Amino acid sequence: EVQLVESGGGLVQPGGSLRLSCSVSGFTFRSYAMHWVRQAPGKGLEYVSAISSNGGSTYYADSVRGRFTISRDNSKNTLYLQMSSLRAEDTAVYYCVRPTYGYESSGYYTYWGQGTLVTVSS
Amino acid sequence: EIVMTQSPATLSVSPGERATLSCRASQSVSSNLAWYQQKPGQAPRLLIYGASARATGIPGRFSGSGSGTEFTLTISSLQSEDFAVYYCQQYNNWPVFGQGTKLEIK
Repeated sequence: EVQLVESGGGLVQPGGSLRLSCSVSGFTFRSYAMHWVRQAPGKGLEYVSAISSNGGSTYYADSVRGRFTISRDNSKNTLYLQMSSLRAEDTAVYYCVRPTYGYESSGYYTYWGQGTLVTVSS
Repeated sequence: EIVMTQSPATLSVSPGERATLSCRASQSVSSNLAWYQQKPGQAPRLLIYGASARATGIPGRFSGSGSGTEFTLTISSLQSEDFAVYYCQQYNNWPVFGQGTKLEIK
């Protein structure tokens, strides 16, 4: 069974930093690109970032480029999102998602984590 | 960036009736279009990919159609568990989601 489990969310002040983790199981992690998608409270879904299967290529939405860094550790089956210079508008549930095999920066998502809430507020 | 526009924002339908949700892309996305269902407090669930292919385990009452810029999700006979928010997403290039359609009980 495929499982994606996010952690690391919480309350952080504007300008602060936070690192999200996503631990995966049930599939060969190193074979898949991975993405982060977020959802602000009561709002729609927004693609945030993607990373290739070997970590050599990364992609970012304009809204987070230069502030967020995606990475992965294939030996630990774990995906990360390092978030810095956080703003109120970054407040959202962050989902770890696996795109369908063959897609790197795009794709549709069969598997989602349960999400972790990040709240940026003073 | 491609803009995905869903209509209507809210759709009120009685159980047992048919629901038709629309999604329009600002430029062609070929058939690279997915639909998701989201219930409160839950992650989205994939319903349709490739504009018309049902994902594993999705009931036959859900169907998708369209290509290019115009897409439709049809739920043929609404069950109580179908009342939720529905999102379309294009993956022809950088993924973009529509703003969602809330399907509510009439």
